[in-house]
Amino acid sequence: KAGVTQTPRYLIKTRGQQVTLSCSPISGHRSVSWYQQTPGQGLQFLFEYFSETQRNKGNFPGRFSGRQFSNSRSEMNVSTLELGDSALYLCASSLVPGREAFFGQGTRLTVV
Amino acid sequence: AQKVTQAQTEISVVEKEDVTLDCVYETRDTTYYLFWYKQPPSGELVFLIRRNSFDEQNEISGRYSWNFQKSTSSFNFTITASQVVDSAVYFCALSEAAVQGAQKLVFGQGTRLTINP
Repeated sequence: KAGVTQTPRYLIKTRGQQVTLSCSPISGHRSVSWYQQTPGQGLQFLFEYFSETQRNKGNFPGRFSGRQFSNSRSEMNVSTLELGDSALYLCASSLVPGREAFFGQGTRLTVV
Repeated sequence: AQKVTQAQTEISVVEKEDVTLDCVYETRDTTYYLFWYKQPPSGELVFLIRRNSFDEQNEISGRYSWNFQKSTSSFNFTITASQVVDSAVYFCALSEAAVQGAQKLVFGQGTRLTINP
């Protein structure tokens, strides 16, 4: 059974640009959540989607957005990139909310 | 508000020693879930265990064991006879009960475990 797949694995962007990250959950999983990991702030929750609806959102500015498609795949978008957005972005999928969450390998975003 | 505290930032032991990673949590909910994850250098968070708040039974899986004590709000993780491959950053996390289909994991700051040969 394939795990959670995140693309791309690495990304370098310039300040002010926007970026879209993709996450394909484990087959059959309907809940997808996103996390940002930085050395200073640790792992922080961004948002969670279930059945194409955003069910929960973390304390991040509106520049961070996401969506989920009917096949449960999810994308997150960051607009007007800032240097502080440099981080490892991790996606997790679970069968339904509350169950075990399995993570992908992450997308490492560097903003220069 | 939910909070997870992993007071040990770094631990270094010699191979074959037993090591315990501490996790203390705060929540106002009576129904919640606790998790442990391992993050090797590759970056992926590897799921180790999920425990719900009504199940205080200790769990053992091979060399790994978990001690859940609601009275002290702790969910500690012990590795017996540690091996070099156990070297990683370990995270404890808390999730309150899914409300309206929502889930949010709150992570501790992590404990970097180094097993020396």
